[in-house]
Amino acid sequence: RKEVEQDPGPFNVPEGATVAFNCTYSNSASQSFFWYRQDCRKEPKLLMSVYSSGNEDGRFTAQLNRASQYISLLIRDSKLSDSATYLCVVIYTMEYGNKLVFGAGTILRVKS
Amino acid sequence: GAGVSQSPRYKVAKRGQDVALRCDPISGHVSLFWYQQALGQGPEFLTYFQNEAQLDKSGLPSDRFFAERPEGSVSTLKIQRTQQEDSAVYLCASSSSYTEAFFGQGTRLTVV
Repeated sequence: RKEVEQDPGPFNVPEGATVAFNCTYSNSASQSFFWYRQDCRKEPKLLMSVYSSGNEDGRFTAQLNRASQYISLLIRDSKLSDSATYLCVVIYTMEYGNKLVFGAGTILRVKS
Repeated sequence: GAGVSQSPRYKVAKRGQDVALRCDPISGHVSLFWYQQALGQGPEFLTYFQNEAQLDKSGLPSDRFFAERPEGSVSTLKIQRTQQEDSAVYLCASSSSYTEAFFGQGTRLTVV
């Protein structure tokens, strides 16, 4: 089993739709959680951090459920420009420092 | 520049050739990561440096892969006797703590 698992999609949604992605992680000692966005042939870029209390940034809401070991990303009022691959990232605290582990990504396609 | 810089951006190598990929992290970032990203997949961890110390190389796929960061800044990922399965985008990221990791644009390696 992979350390971080995501539904690969693709999620095909119309503009204005609400869409949610989940990500599960296997190591309960995970320290920090993030969602990154990756556009085609570009490098991943931080979208938002994920906190236990949940956090919102405009149309994006991230949630963390430590008990069930999953994180989620909700996108409201989808725009064409939201089309990308969304990567779930978990940071593990190792003896020597931190290690970032990525999920395989969820593809979102927003269509007009 | 202020970001992570990788070179070359594109590399075509003949099977059996050795290649060297360079990463220039953000100044002052102690953590440096190398990832391999195959088409349609999320980034897969290769190795991690904290300053000049290579603390985790568990993701290197074979002994043909070697990474170094001798002075704690610039890092080089070397692949010896390249094989077709080495074709991928190689991403470098640097980070200062448990927060955001910044990625370079990657080196797209094609082995022919």
